Amino acid sequence: AQKVTQAQTEISVVEKEDVTLDCVYETRDTTYYLFWYKQPPSGELVFLIRRNSFDEQNEISGRYSWNFQKSTSSFNFTITASQVVDSAVYFCALSELNYGGATNKLIFGTGTLLAVQP
Amino acid sequence: DVKVTQSSRYLVKRTGEKVFLECVQDMDHENMFWYRQDPGLGLRLIYFSYDVKMKEKGDIPEGYSVSREKKERFSLILESASTNQTSMYLCASSSPAPAKNIQYFGAGTRLSVL
Repeated sequence: AQKVTQAQTEISVVEKEDVTLDCVYETRDTTYYLFWYKQPPSGELVFLIRRNSFDEQNEISGRYSWNFQKSTSSFNFTITASQVVDSAVYFCALSELNYGGATNKLIFGTGTLLAVQP
Repeated sequence: DVKVTQSSRYLVKRTGEKVFLECVQDMDHENMFWYRQDPGLGLRLIYFSYDVKMKEKGDIPEGYSVSREKKERFSLILESASTNQTSMYLCASSSPAPAKNIQYFGAGTRLSVL
């Protein structure tokens, strides 16, 4: 069965600290996609990144970076020099391709609440 | 920018009422989804639709139904609301192409059933 595990329920850091959010996934598919979403207090999930299973290159976008390792089935997310505005719930998700890829159900982890203290 | 709009941010209903949650997207996406979010459980898929008038059950469809009469609109229906349906409901839409399968979400509807 497909599954996403975010073992860290809550993390609290002080501003300017680096923080890594862990994500471990299980799937039998050879082709799949992994996602990270941010949910600020306003409630709307904001897309951050998508990675397909054939691309293991790490990605950096400003203070955000992602480390994808198929060998350990992990897709971890690091925020460098955290800021108060980074406070949110972060979700990792795995796509399940159906109908020849036409439908992409997402399996979400339970989320990690990140609190960045000033 | 993709816009997914949910008709209400907050709703309070009574047990046994019929409840409609509406979702509209403006990106001409074929796929639309309804999730519920509960503390400690993440997001769970209730129903999804991959075309007008087409629907598929997700992981927790019991007690819910959906309607997709137009491509841009996907409605979630609670036939007889119960207290265990108190939750945050999130709508999303996406393109069907695997290379464009990012789901875009609305702001959510927080439903309280008393």
